[in-house]
Amino acid sequence: GENVEQHPSTLSVQEGDSAVIKCTYSDSASNYFPWYKQELGKRPQLIIDIRSNVGEKKDQRIAVTLNKTAKHFSLHITETQPEDSAVYFCAASPPISSGSARQLTFGSGTQLTVLP
Amino acid sequence: NAGVTQTPKFRVLKTGQSMTLLCAQDMNHEYMYWYRQDPGMGLRLIHYSVGEGTTAKGEVPDGYNVSRLKKQNFLLGLESAAPSQTSVYFCASSYRVDWVGQPQHFGDGTRLSIL
Repeated sequence: GENVEQHPSTLSVQEGDSAVIKCTYSDSASNYFPWYKQELGKRPQLIIDIRSNVGEKKDQRIAVTLNKTAKHFSLHITETQPEDSAVYFCAASPPISSGSARQLTFGSGTQLTVLP
Repeated sequence: NAGVTQTPKFRVLKTGQSMTLLCAQDMNHEYMYWYRQDPGMGLRLIHYSVGEGTTAKGEVPDGYNVSRLKKQNFLLGLESAAPSQTSVYFCASSYRVDWVGQPQHFGDGTRLSIL
């Protein structure tokens, strides 16, 4: 099955600096890569996702890049703000096999702390 | 729309007790999932369902059972709770689009402690 590794496990940046979180996946057939943000005690919420037919996607201060050849994808947050402090999870989803559903395999998470 | 609603939000059980966690979604999603979240281990899939009346095992199914009698509801059962099942449980749902992944929408979670 799919295996997703996420680095770093913790990341501290100064307010206004950029943050980068990286993930690698094992199944070359995976073609959907979402990123979730989880604030303390809250539900994971989708912040951005990318499909394998594009190499980069941006949404305001957030961007995701995908390198299918190397099987890794990254989350980039620019001009970080204290409210960006949270745990971020990457995930990968391979195509559906017979009788199954789209399953997400999650990375272990990155605790991002933005220091004022 | 409420999205994905989980009940209860908190529960404390004694070892050996049983309970059922309820997940309800009002988005007409075909797929529903149950995850557990433990510190430092991300989200791990327990069971999932591709539609009413169907369920399947995920990564960590042992000690749990599920049922999906109605499209909007997905129940997770613990028949004989064990301390190792202390965790935060999240339900999620998504549309079915076979050729490309779809975002999963999560509930607020159930914090379960087994003493």
